[in-house]
Amino acid sequence: ELKVEQNPLFLSMQEGKNYTIYCNYSTTSDRLYWYRQDPGKSLESLFVLLSNGAVKQEGRLMASLDTKARLSTLHITAAVHDLSATYFCAVFTNFGNEKLTFGTGTRLTIIP
Amino acid sequence: NAGVTQTPKFRILKIGQSMTLQCTQDMNHNYMYWYRQDPGMGLKLIYYSVGAGITDKGEVPNGYNVSRSTTEDFPLRLELAAPSQTSVYFCASKTRGDTGELFFGEGSRLTVL
Repeated sequence: ELKVEQNPLFLSMQEGKNYTIYCNYSTTSDRLYWYRQDPGKSLESLFVLLSNGAVKQEGRLMASLDTKARLSTLHITAAVHDLSATYFCAVFTNFGNEKLTFGTGTRLTIIP
Repeated sequence: NAGVTQTPKFRILKIGQSMTLQCTQDMNHNYMYWYRQDPGMGLKLIYYSVGAGITDKGEVPNGYNVSRSTTEDFPLRLELAAPSQTSVYFCASKTRGDTGELFFGEGSRLTVL
């Protein structure tokens, strides 16, 4: 069974600082998604990573995928308060049918 | 663009009652999913469907049933509601294929008392 683990689970950081969220998964997959969720809201798609070495950037967020290490990272540069949210990675398995397994989530709080 | 529409948005049930959460998508997506999200937790897959007439269990299917009679609709049935089913339920859909992005509905918040 696919396991998807994120760390840290909780992260408080000051505005202007850099930090990285890690997503490890336990089985072969070359598709990984990052989502953002604000309190009481649905999930917003951030990045879709489709191959080994894929790197995507949007504003202060950059995501990468290493399929050999079964690791994805979400890097935050010069954090601002608006980035406070919960971030989820999710891994696709397509052994017969396509299923998306979510990580535990990282609750990010940006402190002024 | 309606996307994925879920109803109701909020519902309170008594223990033992039954209800159906509705999910409709207008993007002609083959794949549809039901997830639940407990407070402060990630999403767990309940059931999914790869096309009309085809459904399969996810991680936490007990206490739920689904059907997929059309491409557009994927209702989730709760039988004999229990407090453990208090959660937020998300429906999602995607196209077939490697690059298909998953689109989520707004969620249905269910409380069982």
